[in-house]
Amino acid sequence: DAKTTQPPSMDCAEGRAANLPCNHSTISGNEYVYWYRQIHSQGPQYIIHGLKNNETNEMASLIITEDRKSSTLILPHATLRDTAVYYCIAYNNAGNMLTFGGGTRLMVKP
Amino acid sequence: GAGVSQTPSNKVTEKGKYVELRCDPISGHTALYWYRQSLGQGPEFLIYFQGTGAADDSGLPNDRFFAVRPEGSVSTLKIQRTERGDSAVYLCASRSTGNMNTEAFFGQGTRLTVV
Repeated sequence: DAKTTQPPSMDCAEGRAANLPCNHSTISGNEYVYWYRQIHSQGPQYIIHGLKNNETNEMASLIITEDRKSSTLILPHATLRDTAVYYCIAYNNAGNMLTFGGGTRLMVKP
Repeated sequence: GAGVSQTPSNKVTEKGKYVELRCDPISGHTALYWYRQSLGQGPEFLIYFQGTGAADDSGLPNDRFFAVRPEGSVSTLKIQRTERGDSAVYLCASRSTGNMNTEAFFGQGTRLTVV
Protein backbone atom coordinates (compact mmCIF):
# COMPACT_ATOMS: atom_id res chain seq x y z
CA ASP A 1 0.00 0.00 0.00
CA ALA A 2 1.16 3.54 -0.76
CA LYS A 3 2.52 5.56 2.14
CA THR A 4 0.41 8.48 3.25
CA THR A 5 1.51 11.66 5.02
CA GLN A 6 -0.72 13.66 7.35
CA PRO A 7 -0.11 16.57 9.73
CA PRO A 8 0.15 15.24 13.28
CA SER A 9 -2.45 17.61 14.71
CA MET A 10 -5.04 20.23 13.82
CA ASP A 11 -7.51 22.42 15.65
CA CYS A 12 -10.94 23.42 14.47
CA ALA A 13 -13.63 25.65 15.96
CA GLU A 14 -16.94 24.00 16.72
CA GLY A 15 -19.45 24.55 13.91
CA ARG A 16 -16.78 25.32 11.34
CA ALA A 17 -15.62 23.04 8.56
CA ALA A 18 -12.65 20.81 9.36
CA ASN A 19 -10.40 20.18 6.37
CA LEU A 20 -7.93 17.37 6.92
CA PRO A 21 -5.24 16.96 4.25
CA CYS A 22 -3.46 13.81 3.19
CA ASN A 23 -0.58 13.31 0.78
CA HIS A 24 -0.27 10.01 -1.09
CA SER A 25 2.09 10.89 -3.92
CA THR A 26 3.05 7.25 -4.63
CA ILE A 27 -0.50 5.98 -4.87
CA SER A 28 -1.06 3.48 -7.67
CA GLY A 29 -3.96 3.36 -10.06
CA ASN A 30 -5.84 0.61 -8.27
CA GLU A 31 -5.48 1.99 -4.75
CA TYR A 32 -8.42 3.61 -3.06
CA VAL A 33 -8.14 6.37 -0.48
CA TYR A 34 -9.82 5.37 2.77
CA TRP A 35 -10.45 7.50 5.85
CA TYR A 36 -11.00 6.12 9.32
CA ARG A 37 -11.18 7.88 12.65
CA GLN A 38 -10.53 6.73 16.17
CA ILE A 39 -12.17 8.35 19.14
CA HIS A 40 -10.37 7.84 22.42
CA SER A 41 -10.57 4.27 23.75
CA GLN A 42 -12.61 3.03 20.80
CA GLY A 43 -11.80 1.00 17.70
CA PRO A 44 -11.28 2.80 14.37
CA GLN A 45 -14.48 3.80 12.59
CA TYR A 46 -14.88 3.90 8.83
CA ILE A 47 -15.73 7.33 7.41
CA ILE A 48 -15.49 7.32 3.64
CA HIS A 49 -13.45 6.10 0.69
CA GLY A 50 -12.93 6.98 -2.96
CA LEU A 51 -10.86 6.20 -6.03
CA LYS A 52 -10.91 9.19 -8.38
CA ASN A 53 -14.17 11.04 -7.97
CA ASN A 54 -15.13 13.19 -5.03
CA GLU A 55 -17.38 11.39 -2.58
CA THR A 56 -19.92 12.52 0.01
CA ASN A 57 -21.86 10.68 2.65
CA GLU A 58 -23.68 11.57 5.83
CA MET A 59 -20.44 11.92 7.76
CA ALA A 60 -18.05 13.73 5.45
CA SER A 61 -16.88 14.66 1.98
CA LEU A 62 -13.72 13.42 0.30
CA ILE A 63 -12.00 15.55 -2.29
CA ILE A 64 -9.31 13.81 -4.35
CA THR A 65 -7.04 15.85 -6.62
CA GLU A 66 -7.06 15.07 -10.31
CA ASP A 67 -3.56 13.57 -10.17
CA ARG A 68 -4.64 11.55 -7.08
CA LYS A 69 -1.51 12.53 -5.20
CA SER A 70 -3.44 14.11 -2.36
CA SER A 71 -6.88 14.31 -0.84
CA THR A 72 -8.84 16.26 1.76
CA LEU A 73 -11.42 14.99 4.18
CA ILE A 74 -14.03 17.61 4.97
CA LEU A 75 -16.25 17.55 8.04
CA PRO A 76 -18.68 20.33 7.09
CA HIS A 77 -19.81 21.36 10.58
CA ALA A 78 -17.43 19.99 13.17
CA THR A 79 -18.79 19.18 16.62
CA LEU A 80 -16.97 18.40 19.85
CA ARG A 81 -17.72 14.71 19.23
CA ASP A 82 -15.59 14.85 16.09
CA THR A 83 -12.46 15.20 18.24
CA ALA A 84 -10.48 12.11 17.26
CA VAL A 85 -7.45 10.81 15.40
CA TYR A 86 -8.14 10.68 11.66
CA TYR A 87 -6.28 8.16 9.50
CA CYS A 88 -5.84 8.39 5.74
CA ILE A 89 -4.97 5.07 4.09
CA ALA A 90 -4.21 4.12 0.49
CA TYR A 91 -5.47 0.60 0.01
CA ASN A 92 -6.12 -1.97 -2.67
CA ASN A 93 -7.93 -5.22 -2.25
CA ALA A 94 -4.92 -7.28 -3.24
CA GLY A 95 -2.95 -5.84 -0.34
CA ASN A 96 -5.40 -7.41 2.07
CA MET A 97 -4.78 -5.20 5.06
CA LEU A 98 -5.08 -1.54 5.93
CA THR A 99 -1.75 0.07 6.81
CA PHE A 100 -2.23 2.84 9.35
CA GLY A 101 0.17 5.74 9.73
CA GLY A 102 0.26 8.18 12.59
CA GLY A 103 -2.91 10.02 11.61
CA THR A 104 -4.01 13.57 12.40
CA ARG A 105 -5.24 14.36 15.88
CA LEU A 106 -8.16 16.75 15.35
CA MET A 107 -9.18 18.84 18.32
CA VAL A 108 -12.55 20.56 17.95
CA LYS A 109 -12.77 23.48 20.34
CA PRO A 110 -15.86 25.34 21.62
CA GLY B 1 -24.76 -8.67 17.68
CA ALA B 2 -24.47 -6.21 14.87
CA GLY B 3 -20.81 -5.33 15.30
CA VAL B 4 -17.43 -6.93 15.93
CA SER B 5 -17.21 -8.15 19.51
CA GLN B 6 -13.97 -8.62 21.41
CA THR B 7 -13.55 -10.28 24.78
CA PRO B 8 -12.35 -9.60 27.34
CA SER B 9 -12.34 -5.82 27.14
CA ASN B 10 -9.48 -5.70 29.63
CA LYS B 11 -6.94 -8.33 30.62
CA VAL B 12 -4.20 -8.06 33.20
CA THR B 13 -1.71 -10.89 33.31
CA GLU B 14 1.63 -11.62 34.86
CA LYS B 15 4.81 -11.73 32.84
CA GLY B 16 5.39 -15.22 31.49
CA LYS B 17 1.73 -16.25 31.46
CA TYR B 18 -0.34 -17.38 28.48
CA VAL B 19 -3.32 -15.34 27.27
CA GLU B 20 -6.09 -15.78 24.74
CA LEU B 21 -8.01 -12.92 23.18
CA ARG B 22 -11.28 -13.59 21.37
CA CYS B 23 -12.88 -11.91 18.38
CA ASP B 24 -16.44 -12.45 17.12
CA PRO B 25 -16.67 -10.89 13.66
CA ILE B 26 -19.78 -9.65 11.93
CA SER B 27 -21.80 -12.63 10.73
CA GLY B 28 -20.96 -13.59 7.18
CA HIS B 29 -17.72 -11.62 7.01
CA THR B 30 -15.03 -13.83 5.54
CA ALA B 31 -12.05 -11.54 6.15
CA LEU B 32 -10.77 -11.04 9.69
CA TYR B 33 -7.82 -8.97 10.87
CA TRP B 34 -5.88 -8.57 14.09
CA TYR B 35 -4.06 -5.36 14.89
CA ARG B 36 -2.06 -4.16 17.88
CA GLN B 37 -2.03 -0.56 19.02
CA SER B 38 0.43 0.95 21.46
CA LEU B 39 -0.25 4.24 23.20
CA GLY B 40 -0.03 7.19 20.82
CA GLN B 41 0.54 5.02 17.76
CA GLY B 42 -1.65 3.92 14.87
CA PRO B 43 -2.84 0.31 14.72
CA GLU B 44 -0.16 -2.14 13.59
CA PHE B 45 -1.17 -5.11 11.43
CA LEU B 46 -0.61 -8.58 12.89
CA ILE B 47 -2.47 -11.20 10.85
CA TYR B 48 -5.22 -11.56 8.26
CA PHE B 49 -7.60 -14.49 7.80
CA GLN B 50 -9.60 -15.25 4.70
CA GLY B 51 -12.05 -17.88 5.89
CA THR B 52 -10.28 -20.41 8.08
CA GLY B 53 -6.79 -19.86 6.75
CA ALA B 54 -4.23 -17.26 7.68
CA ALA B 55 -3.66 -15.49 4.36
CA ASP B 56 -1.02 -13.15 5.73
CA ASP B 57 0.72 -13.49 9.11
CA SER B 58 3.65 -11.25 8.28
CA GLY B 59 2.82 -8.85 11.10
CA LEU B 60 3.15 -11.33 13.95
CA PRO B 61 6.20 -10.09 15.89
CA ASN B 62 7.58 -13.50 16.89
CA ASP B 63 6.63 -17.13 17.49
CA ARG B 64 5.04 -16.35 20.84
CA PHE B 65 2.08 -14.98 18.91
CA PHE B 66 -0.37 -17.28 17.17
CA ALA B 67 -3.94 -16.94 15.93
CA VAL B 68 -6.60 -19.38 14.79
CA ARG B 69 -9.98 -19.25 13.14
CA PRO B 70 -11.01 -22.90 12.94
CA GLU B 71 -14.54 -22.50 11.62
CA GLY B 72 -14.12 -19.31 9.67
CA SER B 73 -15.96 -17.12 12.14
CA VAL B 74 -14.62 -16.62 15.70
CA SER B 75 -10.89 -16.04 15.97
CA THR B 76 -8.56 -16.36 18.94
CA LEU B 77 -5.23 -14.58 19.27
CA LYS B 78 -2.89 -16.49 21.56
CA ILE B 79 0.18 -15.08 23.22
CA GLN B 80 2.62 -17.35 25.03
CA ARG B 81 5.15 -16.34 27.68
CA THR B 82 3.84 -12.79 27.76
CA GLU B 83 6.30 -9.93 28.16
CA ARG B 84 5.73 -6.41 29.43
CA GLY B 85 6.29 -5.14 25.89
CA ASP B 86 3.19 -7.04 24.77
CA SER B 87 1.04 -4.56 26.69
CA ALA B 88 -1.18 -2.83 24.13
CA VAL B 89 -4.72 -2.68 22.81
CA TYR B 90 -5.42 -5.60 20.50
CA LEU B 91 -7.97 -4.76 17.82
CA CYS B 92 -9.95 -7.10 15.62
CA ALA B 93 -11.68 -6.12 12.38
CA SER B 94 -13.83 -7.96 9.88
CA ARG B 95 -14.75 -7.25 6.32
CA SER B 96 -17.05 -8.74 3.74
CA THR B 97 -15.00 -9.57 0.69
CA GLY B 98 -18.02 -10.09 -1.54
CA ASN B 99 -17.50 -6.61 -2.95
CA MET B 100 -14.30 -4.92 -3.97
CA ASN B 101 -13.03 -2.42 -1.46
CA THR B 102 -15.63 -2.74 1.23
CA GLU B 103 -14.87 -1.12 4.55
CA ALA B 104 -13.50 -2.94 7.58
CA PHE B 105 -15.42 -2.84 10.86
CA PHE B 106 -13.40 -2.76 14.05
CA GLY B 107 -14.19 -4.00 17.53
CA GLN B 108 -13.55 -1.97 20.67
CA GLY B 109 -10.36 -3.85 21.37
CA THR B 110 -8.90 -5.79 24.27
CA ARG B 111 -6.54 -3.82 26.49
CA LEU B 112 -3.80 -6.22 27.56
CA THR B 113 -1.57 -5.25 30.46
CA VAL B 114 1.38 -7.45 31.35
CA VAL B 115 2.72 -6.78 34.84
